[in-house]
Amino acid sequence: NAGVTQTPKFRVLKTGQSMTLLCAQDMNHEYMYWYRQDPGMGLRLIHYSVGEGTTAKGEVPDGYNVSRLKKQNFLLGLESAAPSQTSVYFCASSPRVLQGNYGYTFGSGTRLTVV
Amino acid sequence: AQTVTQSQPEMSVQEAETVTLSCTYDTSESDYYLFWYKQPPSRQMILVIRQEAYKQQNATENRFSVNFQKAAKSFSLKISDSQLGDAAMYFCAYRSAQGGSEKLVFGKGTKLTVNP
Repeated sequence: NAGVTQTPKFRVLKTGQSMTLLCAQDMNHEYMYWYRQDPGMGLRLIHYSVGEGTTAKGEVPDGYNVSRLKKQNFLLGLESAAPSQTSVYFCASSPRVLQGNYGYTFGSGTRLTVV
Repeated sequence: AQTVTQSQPEMSVQEAETVTLSCTYDTSESDYYLFWYKQPPSRQMILVIRQEAYKQQNATENRFSVNFQKAAKSFSLKISDSQLGDAAMYFCAYRSAQGGSEKLVFGKGTKLTVNP
């Protein structure tokens, strides 16, 4: 059981370049989330999805786009990377109904540096 | 919107001693969940303990326990018999129990150092 897998784990981009971060989960979870983590700021929600084909904005959505064409995948795109987007990005998933260990599963993170 | 505040950016404790990490939150809701997550240098987010707001009994997981004060909107984490492996960032998080609001809202974290 792989849980939540993020690719890539590390990436360096030049300002203005674009890239896509991929999140894949194999737990059949309905909900998926993208967070960014910056020193002293905790984890802030970028975008999230409550089901295939649906997405919504979180706390810090500017400069990012997302897509959830398949239930198991949640893509985070940066169309024109900026140094302010240097961060560690986490994907997470959860079932619709929280039970047991309350179902939030996190990926191992992607460290992105924009130079 | 709900907010979570961790007022201690850094804490330190001697090995085998007890330490308490503070967390307060702001919400107008009556039903919700609270969590403490641990993030070691590996970056992995590890669930330490969770609490349902409708439960008056404080949650306990081995050496970890919480002091949940609903009226005061306070949710502190107590770590007993601290171990070197407890050194990490600790995040307090809130989740509404209302449908359609299944987002975790995090505090800014507390860095815990355990001294041998």
